[in-house]
Amino acid sequence: QKEVEQDPGPLSVPEGAIVSLNCTYSNSAFQYFMWYRQYSRKGPELLMYTYSSGNKEDGRFTAQVDKSSKYISLFIRDSQPSDSATYLCAMSAGSGYSTLTFGKGTMLLVSP
Amino acid sequence: GAVVSQHPSWVICKSGTSVKIECRSLDFQATTMFWYRQFPKQSLMLMATSNEGSKATYEQGVEKDKFLINHASLTLSTLTVTSAHPEDSSFYICSASHARQEGVDTQYFGPGTRLTVL
Repeated sequence: QKEVEQDPGPLSVPEGAIVSLNCTYSNSAFQYFMWYRQYSRKGPELLMYTYSSGNKEDGRFTAQVDKSSKYISLFIRDSQPSDSATYLCAMSAGSGYSTLTFGKGTMLLVSP
Repeated sequence: GAVVSQHPSWVICKSGTSVKIECRSLDFQATTMFWYRQFPKQSLMLMATSNEGSKATYEQGVEKDKFLINHASLTLSTLTVTSAHPEDSSFYICSASHARQEGVDTQYFGPGTRLTVL
């Protein structure tokens, strides 16, 4: 079993839809959870950062972490064509020097 | 804030030559810098981690003599692909780690460098 599992998609939705992106993980030591957005041929851009379990909201984006289920989610409300990108989840175990473990990424396509 | 740049953004070279890629943190001092490699439709593969003034730590399977990393300052790290071959063609991305208020380093990524070896 891989440490982080993420459905590669593509996930196609119409503009305005609510999008749900998910990752599962196996390492119970993970405490820090991030979502990155990567446009084609570009570096990943940090979208959301969450520590431990709970929800965090930033504009149209909501990140959820359920450590008991080892499951994290990113919700995008009122999706826009400009949200079309690959979304990578990432997680790490500790503070200070920290190595991130990435999911493979989910490609999202939002059609006008 | 937390901007990371990479240069060049793309490079084409002949087999057997060496290529240097620069990674800079523009508006913060990076305690640690990371180098990744990404193949099409694949996730990021960590190649090595470097701290300023010390030797890089390479991931298993990454040849340290082929991928030379120099971390000269808190804002600059370089990756040199020596004697490049076509199989080294890939998208190379660096990231810089920035200590957050919570005490956790979060990585900010550069835009990537696409290397094509002919």
